[in-house]
Amino acid sequence: AQSVTQLDSQVPVFEEAPVELRCNYSSSVSVYLFWYVQYPNQGLQLLLKYLSGSTLVKGINGFEAEFNKSQTSFHLRKPSVHISDTAEYFCAVSSGNQFYFGTGTSLTVIP
Amino acid sequence: DTEVTQTPKHLVMGMTNKKSLKCEQHMGHRAMYWYKQKAKKPPELMFVYSYEKLSINESVPSRFSPECPNSSLLNLHLHALQPEDSALYLCASSQGTRGGETQYFGPGTRLLVL
Repeated sequence: AQSVTQLDSQVPVFEEAPVELRCNYSSSVSVYLFWYVQYPNQGLQLLLKYLSGSTLVKGINGFEAEFNKSQTSFHLRKPSVHISDTAEYFCAVSSGNQFYFGTGTSLTVIP
Repeated sequence: DTEVTQTPKHLVMGMTNKKSLKCEQHMGHRAMYWYKQKAKKPPELMFVYSYEKLSINESVPSRFSPECPNSSLLNLHLHALQPEDSALYLCASSQGTRGGETQYFGPGTRLLVL
């Protein structure tokens, strides 16, 4: 069975500070991992994904994530956040034609 | 073009009304999905269509009826809904149904049931 845990439901951070949003997964099969962002009153937008290969994945808007198989983690990072990064962030694991989403992390960037 | 469009953006309906939500994509994707999302929660899968055939129905009440008229269109017919059905309804599509396929989401229809 697949599951995703996002331990931090809310993360406040000051503008231009670095941020890490944590994601841990459990999966009994091959792992495909995703991070999506949802801005207020919008749908989900893909930030980045890991399918195979290099464990450091770079995405849009300056975000990156590192796949760590031994720790079953896929944490999302950005070295310097902007006000416009305020949004809900969802980690997901893909299995067949289904996504298993984490509960989400609400990132608030403080001016 | 990686766009999934949904209409209407907002919908208010009474419990006795019949309405439909529409989703469209022109990316040649063969899998399409309906999700329900409550505030501050992750999307919950409702239905999956693969090659225009319903492949997954996550025990959704019969007052929600999906339809896939062709590979580009997905509808969700609503009838006799309850106030607790108020939510953001998201449509998504993917190239296929193998693991690792990216799902592309539409902007959603915000539904209010009175």
